[in-house]
Amino acid sequence: QVQLKESGPGLVQPSETLSLTCTVSGFSLTSYSVSWVRQPSGKGPEWMGRMWYDGDTAYNSALKSRLSISRDTSKNQVFLKMNSLQTDDTGTYYCTRDGGQLGVFDYWGQGVMVTVSS
Amino acid sequence: DIVMTQSPSSLAVSAGDKVTMSCKSSQSLFSSEYQGNYLSWFQQKPGQSPKLLISLASTRETGVPDRFIGSGSGTDFTLTINSVQAEDLAVYYCEQYYSYPLTFGSGTKLEIK
Repeated sequence: QVQLKESGPGLVQPSETLSLTCTVSGFSLTSYSVSWVRQPSGKGPEWMGRMWYDGDTAYNSALKSRLSISRDTSKNQVFLKMNSLQTDDTGTYYCTRDGGQLGVFDYWGQGVMVTVSS
Repeated sequence: DIVMTQSPSSLAVSAGDKVTMSCKSSQSLFSSEYQGNYLSWFQQKPGQSPKLLISLASTRETGVPDRFIGSGSGTDFTLTINSVQAEDLAVYYCEQYYSYPLTFGSGTKLEIK
């Protein structure tokens, strides 16, 4: 069955870089796109960016200068790197499978809580 | 960016009631390419990840109970829950995938009296 699992550090220092990994199973990264979505506690989700099935990427313009998404198809993994973290980057980070022709978020990982604090 | 506005922010109902919640977009989400509105509804239960309920404004995902009904077109959309159950306690979000950046509303929190 389709599964996604995020992993990474729970605590990041301000101004440092966040590195997260999304490990997927039950589908191929060369057939489906994967997005990163984050959610501050008690607020609505925010789409961060997408790794397309063909290796192309798309980013939220609000984060583009700080964000990089890459993948390793042999390991079924998608990576997120975001630099210059601030306290308002605190929240739960999810990866999603983008299904169908239009890339709807049809499966979500369990999420990883990231706190930016010194 | 397309702004998604949801209302009300919260509502409390009794089991068996009918619930409607609104989602308005700052520009039309209708695409002539697929003859559909590029809008999804998600349900997020406490402590869980969001779950896709409805895509293309009105197409229920497999396994979603038929008491969940999505409707609307253009800029005005509605999620209706017929005969609310206790298990429907959650925050409901709408999301547009018409254009980048993909954007979500701020949610409607459904409480069961």
